[in-house]
Amino acid sequence: GEDVEQSLFLSVREGDSSVINCTYTDSSSTYLYWYKQEPGAGLQLLTYIFSNMDMKQDQRLTVLLNKKDKHLSLRIADTQTGDSAIYFCAENSYSSASKIIFGSGTRLSIRP
Amino acid sequence: EPEVTQTPSHQVTQMGQEVILRCVPISNHLYFYWYRQILGQKVEFLVSFYNNEISEKSEIFDDQFSVERPDGSNFTLKIRSTKLEDSAMYFCASRASSGSNEQYFGPGTRLTVT
Repeated sequence: GEDVEQSLFLSVREGDSSVINCTYTDSSSTYLYWYKQEPGAGLQLLTYIFSNMDMKQDQRLTVLLNKKDKHLSLRIADTQTGDSAIYFCAENSYSSASKIIFGSGTRLSIRP
Repeated sequence: EPEVTQTPSHQVTQMGQEVILRCVPISNHLYFYWYRQILGQKVEFLVSFYNNEISEKSEIFDDQFSVERPDGSNFTLKIRSTKLEDSAMYFCASRASSGSNEQYFGPGTRLTVT
């Protein structure tokens, strides 16, 4: 069945780049998403990529998609303390235009 | 910027009681969703709703659950007889149209069943 996996924790130094990785199993995935969840807040849509794209850049965020390996990554350049949050990788399958399948989330912590 | 809102932020109820979780989706959106996240687990899809009917539901969404859009603005999730395992964060989401793939989430309602 559909599954999305990501590592649980990542710690980076302020000013460095953060790279959060994700793998998914559904080869019919149409859209792949990154959501951000700050403490006590909801799920904020950061960015998404269509499955026929390799890369998408939006200011400090770069999404890379390797469709052959079913691997998605989110790079945050010049990581700031405000980037501390849980980042969820998610996919939307062509077989179901409704639901989004989420990974477990990666908790990003920033050290000075 | 328009956003999805949910009330209450935290609901405590006794096992066997009925609860209604409320959501106000973004005003021009047509598709509505409920997800839940049990503590320490993944965010799970529950149900999607379009044109006043359920378009898809998961195995979790059994007869104890129901959804309703009672007026032009609210979208509710009812749990008829709550169980301890219903304790979770419940997220509402909405999407503008079939041509949009962006689901916008509310802040969630934390449901605690005692």
